[in-house]
This record gives sequence, C-alpha cells and structure tokens, in this order.
Amino acid sequence: KNQVEQSPQSLIILEGKNCTLQCNYTVSPFSNLRWYKQDTGRGPVSLTIMTFSENTKSNGRYTATLDADTKQSSLHITASQLSDSASYICVVSSMDSNYQLIWGAGTKLIIKP
Amino acid sequence: NAGVMQNPRHLVRRRGQEARLRCSPMKGHSHVYWYRQLPEEGLKFMVYLQKENIIDESGMPKERFSAEFPKEGPSILRIQQVVRGDSAAYFCASSPRRQGQSGANVLTFGAGSRLTVL
Repeated sequence: KNQVEQSPQSLIILEGKNCTLQCNYTVSPFSNLRWYKQDTGRGPVSLTIMTFSENTKSNGRYTATLDADTKQSSLHITASQLSDSASYICVVSSMDSNYQLIWGAGTKLIIKP
Repeated sequence: NAGVMQNPRHLVRRRGQEARLRCSPMKGHSHVYWYRQLPEEGLKFMVYLQKENIIDESGMPKERFSAEFPKEGPSILRIQQVVRGDSAAYFCASSPRRQGQSGANVLTFGAGSRLTVL
C-alpha cells in the first residue's frame, strides 16, 4: 500500500536554530517527491520537488534530500525564523497513478523567540 | 498573473442547506484538484478534473457531493444537504498538465474556502 509517513509529528525549536524533518515512503514505482509548507489558515505552498535522479535541492534556507534506495527524504531548515512556523508536508507521486499524490500528515513546526 | 482564486473564503450554512464552492485555476492551467482538510488534520484528496471531464473522483463521497469544471467559468464543488461533519477547509489546486506528464509539475493551491455548518 502506498504510504507516506512523517516524523516528528510536531517540533518546537528556538529561533535561529536548525532542524531536520523526516519523510519515509513506500510509494512504488516512484515518480517524484515534494515538500510543501502550509501556514495556518492558508493553502500549501511548494518548497521543493525532486525526481528520482536528484538527491538534494535547496530553496533559500530550506534544503531537501532524497535517498531513493532507502525511500527516505529530509527537509533541513537552517537558521530558523519565526515565519517558519507552519506545517511541512511531504507528498509523493507514483508513476502508476500518475495524477494522484500521496500526502503525508505533516510535521507541525513551532519556532519560539 | 493571479494565482488560484477560491470563493467564498468563508461560508456558513445550516444543516440541510447547499454549499457551492468556486475555484478559478491559474491562467493556462486546465487541471483542477479539490482537497478537504479537517481541523488539525492533513489534506485529503477528493476529486481531479480537467475541462469538462471528471478524471478521478475516488476521494469524493458518493452522496451529496459533486464537482464540475465547465468549458467556461470556474470549477465548482457542490455539497447538498450539508451536515455538521462537512465543516472543513476545502482547498483547490491547479496545474498546467496532468501529474506525471512530461515530468513533475507543481500544484498551485488557492487560499481555501472554510465551510462551517451550524
């Protein structure tokens, strides 16, 4: 069964610190993996999208990694800011159901001053 | 270049009434997706439409819910005889082509429509 699991469920860190969010998936055959940021009360916004051949991609202070062999991805946030407080969602696309995306439940990140 | 526009942003209905949610995709996007999000939960896929066609409605309840994306005008998600359990945020997303077609392409989301059923 295609699944995406994220950890931790929630995380609280101090402003300025770094953090890493994890995503494990069992989607096969794999097409691509995306990380979205969802602020409270808003729609998700795409941070990165990676295909099979890519193992790292950066977007400002956000760096995503992908290990297609172990089926794991991580999102690293550097020098966190208060505006990073949000839910971060890992989404995996399968080549079979090429239009349906499998969504993780998200990690709720809170940045404290 | 306006993004995905959803309206209304907030809608209050009494049990038994109808709710209509509208979504205008980004310019040039012909693929529309509807998602539902309950408080403190993740997004759940409901339906995927292309102009005048429903491609996948596997996530949409069989009764009371319907969706359309006409040749002209916005996509509409319609909920008949609403119940309290329908209270949620409904998000629309659009993309320029089918997922998986010609490589990955990103979904762009609207700000959502929040339905409250009294």
